[in-house]
Amino acid sequence: AQSVAQPEDQVNVAEGNPLTVKCTYSVSGNPYLFWYVQYPNRGLQFLLKYITGDNLVKGSYGFEAEFNKSQTSFHLKKPSALVSDSALYFCAVRDIRATGTASKLTFGTGTRLQVTL
Amino acid sequence: GAVVSQHPSWVICKSGTSVKIECRSLDFQATTMFWYRQFPKQSLMLMATSNEGSKATYEQGVEKDKFLINHASLTLSTLTVTSAHPEDSSFYICSARDWRETNTGELFFGEGSRLTVL
Repeated sequence: AQSVAQPEDQVNVAEGNPLTVKCTYSVSGNPYLFWYVQYPNRGLQFLLKYITGDNLVKGSYGFEAEFNKSQTSFHLKKPSALVSDSALYFCAVRDIRATGTASKLTFGTGTRLQVTL
Repeated sequence: GAVVSQHPSWVICKSGTSVKIECRSLDFQATTMFWYRQFPKQSLMLMATSNEGSKATYEQGVEKDKFLINHASLTLSTLTVTSAHPEDSSFYICSARDWRETNTGELFFGEGSRLTVL
């Protein structure tokens, strides 16, 4: 079974400061990892993904995430937060060996990011 | 990027009626679509996996006869909430997997549909 943990329900950051949203995962094999963002009453928007290659992945809107296999983590980061980054962030994982209906993404519980002036 | 259109965005209906929500992949073919339900301030709950031309696979605890899913073409899946009741009020989100991205599993999401049952 695969699972994702986002230990923080909410992260508060001042605008201009760096931000980190934490994510750890558990899969039997190697993971595909994703970050999505959700604004109020909207669907999820893709931010970035780790498939293979460089452990540091750069995505949309200046976000990046670092894959750490030994710590089974995929934390989302941004060097300088903006008020407009305030939203709900979801981490998701999929075991690369899974096929068919088992190949669904498993989402974390979400972390609400609040960026203030 | 790949676009998924979900319609309607908002729907209000009377208790006992049925409501259909459509999910369309606009610029790619989606062999697999997923339907989620999201309660306020909570994560996504996967309801079912919809495969084109075959029956949907429902998650444990999801009533098949209550939530009818049809995936008749490679670009359209529908979710019908039958005999809706107030407890069915929720935010429903669909997602689609581009057949070219089958290996990575990346999903593209619709904008969601907020259902309110009076």
